Amino acid sequence: GAGVSQSPRYKVAKRGQDVALRCDPISGHVSLFWYQQALGQGPEFLTYFQNEAQLDKSGLPSDRFFAERPEGSVSTLKIQRTQQEDSAVYLCASSLVTQGEQFFGPGTRLTVL
Amino acid sequence: QQQVKQSPQSLIVQKGGISIINCAYENTAFDYFPWYQQFPGKGPALLIAIRPDVSEKKEGRFTISFNKSAKQFSLHIMDSQPGDSATYFCAASPRPYNQGGKLIFGQGTELSVKP
Repeated sequence: GAGVSQSPRYKVAKRGQDVALRCDPISGHVSLFWYQQALGQGPEFLTYFQNEAQLDKSGLPSDRFFAERPEGSVSTLKIQRTQQEDSAVYLCASSLVTQGEQFFGPGTRLTVL
Repeated sequence: QQQVKQSPQSLIVQKGGISIINCAYENTAFDYFPWYQQFPGKGPALLIAIRPDVSEKKEGRFTISFNKSAKQFSLHIMDSQPGDSATYFCAASPRPYNQGGKLIFGQGTELSVKP
């Protein structure tokens, strides 16, 4: 079956632009996570959804970052007024149940010029 | 703060050798310890995971050793192959409450297996 998909795979933005990154989790997966992976580093947690409820957003680095999952399936991570330090790979993961195995998508590589 | 410390940063092993990667944690609330493998341009993929009620788990050529008192765990790759060349991440997850099993990752180990 299909895994987690993310789009776009690559995004180049000028500093100050807004971007929207999409995640399509595995069908039926309850939990959805967003992580940020800087070059040469491990992924860092951003936010967590259980169905449509955002239960943990403690990892979002600033109020420029916003995530939603309105119908409990597809999720969008939005970054407003992008800065150069936002350049990273943004990974989405989903799991069937809470604390189940997390399946990762290929990520979106964001480059802010 | 860095809650999961991973070493070494990079590792070169000959084909057929044993690759060993170590991780240490401080937060006793962690109760799930997975290892992920990541190839360039791909997302991490789960290799093997352990919970703290066992000291060792083996799946094929991959073994996790877990030392709860020392708060350390390690990944052993037996009979390492060139196809194992990738970046490996250890991770830890706290008990659920409202946190849903978010993963705290180590910094990664870049493994290169020479033919």
